[in-house]
Amino acid sequence: DTGVSQDPRHKITKRGQNVTFRCDPISEHNRLYWYRQTLGQGPEFLTYFQNEAQLEKSRLLSDRFSAERPKGSFSTLEIQRTEQGDSAMYLCASSLGQSFGYTFGSGTRLTVV
Amino acid sequence: KNEVEQSPQNLTAQEGEFITINCSYSVGISALHWLQQHPGGGIVSLFMLSSGKKKHGRLIATINIQEKHSSLHITASHPRDSAVYICAVTDTVNSGSRLTFGEGTQLTVNP
Repeated sequence: DTGVSQDPRHKITKRGQNVTFRCDPISEHNRLYWYRQTLGQGPEFLTYFQNEAQLEKSRLLSDRFSAERPKGSFSTLEIQRTEQGDSAMYLCASSLGQSFGYTFGSGTRLTVV
Repeated sequence: KNEVEQSPQNLTAQEGEFITINCSYSVGISALHWLQQHPGGGIVSLFMLSSGKKKHGRLIATINIQEKHSSLHITASHPRDSAVYICAVTDTVNSGSRLTFGEGTQLTVNP
């Protein structure tokens, strides 16, 4: 499978717990994006990597959120001290660059109870 | 006002009907994307366009840069076309090419 993989597909966690999601992009794609989507809304940008460098973060990304892309390959998104408002679908996408399209993963659905 | 607005929010059609979904945007863009999202969350890229018109099978996407408007057409619609269709843009200011999304159009095609 040469698509974008996200793990896990679903995560239920108790409020206050930490969670970590993983995204494996298409191997030759140097750009990697994280988006968050709540029910009935379009996705919203969270953060963007070019290779291993995190080049942009949204104001939506509070200090409880951190993302990494070590070695410019897979990426992780960690949410510390989860809150009910963090419940959403977290989507990862990768791209070769501005002139190219995007490939999305299937998303990780987080439910904070 | 959102930078990307879609209409209608919801659309119900009978199988075989011609469908149009509209997208208007308020920023300068380098490209506009039409995406399809099925229940369960996965998003599939349908089109990326910066001018003119593109066609793939029964899907046609057009864009008018001067009017900042794009349309997605589905000819001979089928129940398997039922999904959320999302318009997204990459704006000219943002060098990282992140996408700004509309809220999506929920399409239901009845047999």
